[in-house]
Amino acid sequence: EAQVTQNPRYLITVTGKKLTVTCSQNMNHEYMSWYRQDPGLGLRQIYYSMNVEVTDKGDVPEGYKVSRKEKRNFPLILESPSPNQTSLYFCASSPATRTEETQYFGPGTRLLVL
Amino acid sequence: AQTVTQSQPEMSVQEAETVTLSCTYDTSESNYYLFWYKQPPSRQMILVIRQEAYKQQNATENRFSVNFQKAAKSFSLKISDSQLGDTAMYFCAFTTYSGAGSYQLTFGKGTKLSVIP
Repeated sequence: EAQVTQNPRYLITVTGKKLTVTCSQNMNHEYMSWYRQDPGLGLRQIYYSMNVEVTDKGDVPEGYKVSRKEKRNFPLILESPSPNQTSLYFCASSPATRTEETQYFGPGTRLLVL
Repeated sequence: AQTVTQSQPEMSVQEAETVTLSCTYDTSESNYYLFWYKQPPSRQMILVIRQEAYKQQNATENRFSVNFQKAAKSFSLKISDSQLGDTAMYFCAFTTYSGAGSYQLTFGKGTKLSVIP
C-alpha cells in the first residue's frame, strides 16, 4: 500500500530533551516536506526537500533540523524542544513533477513539550 | 508572497443539502495548482480535489466540484448531497512549480464544516 508513515504518533517530552520524528514514504517520491498545524493558523511549512541531500527552509524553520540521506526518509529533529513547539506535525511527499503536484500526507504526530 | 484566504471559519449544512466553501488566493505566478484537503476528526489530511490553473474546466470528483475563477483568484468548493461523513475541517491550498527547486504548498486557515442530521 502506497503511504507516508510517521513515528511516533504521539509524544510527550520535556523542554530541552532532543527528539526525532521519523517520516518514510514508499512511493519513490522526490519531494518531501514537514508541516506543523496549530489552531487558527492552518498548516505551515517547516522544511522541505526536493531530493536527496537537498533541503530548504519553509515558513517556520526555527528550532528544527532535517536531513535527507535516503530518498524514502525525511526525519524531523528537535535539538532542544520548547513548549511553543507543542503542535500537530505532518510529513508529506509528492512526485513534484509538472503533471503531478499532489502532496500525500502522513497520519500526523501530536507532540506535547512540557 | 503567496497567500490563501478562507473567509468562513465555520459553516453548517443540513444533510442532503448543498454547501459552498470559499477560498481566495494571491500569487504573481501564472502556472500553479490548487487543492482542497479534508481533515476529519481523525486528523488525517485527505485530498478532496485538485485543479491546474492552466485548465479552464472546473474539476469534479463525485459530489465535490470547484468553481475556479482565475481572474478573480477564487477557488470555491461545492459539496452536493452533503453527508454526515463530510463533517470535517476543509483546507484550501495552493502551490507553484518553478522547476528550479522552489516548491511550497501554502494553506488557508481552514473552514470547519458541520453536517447536521
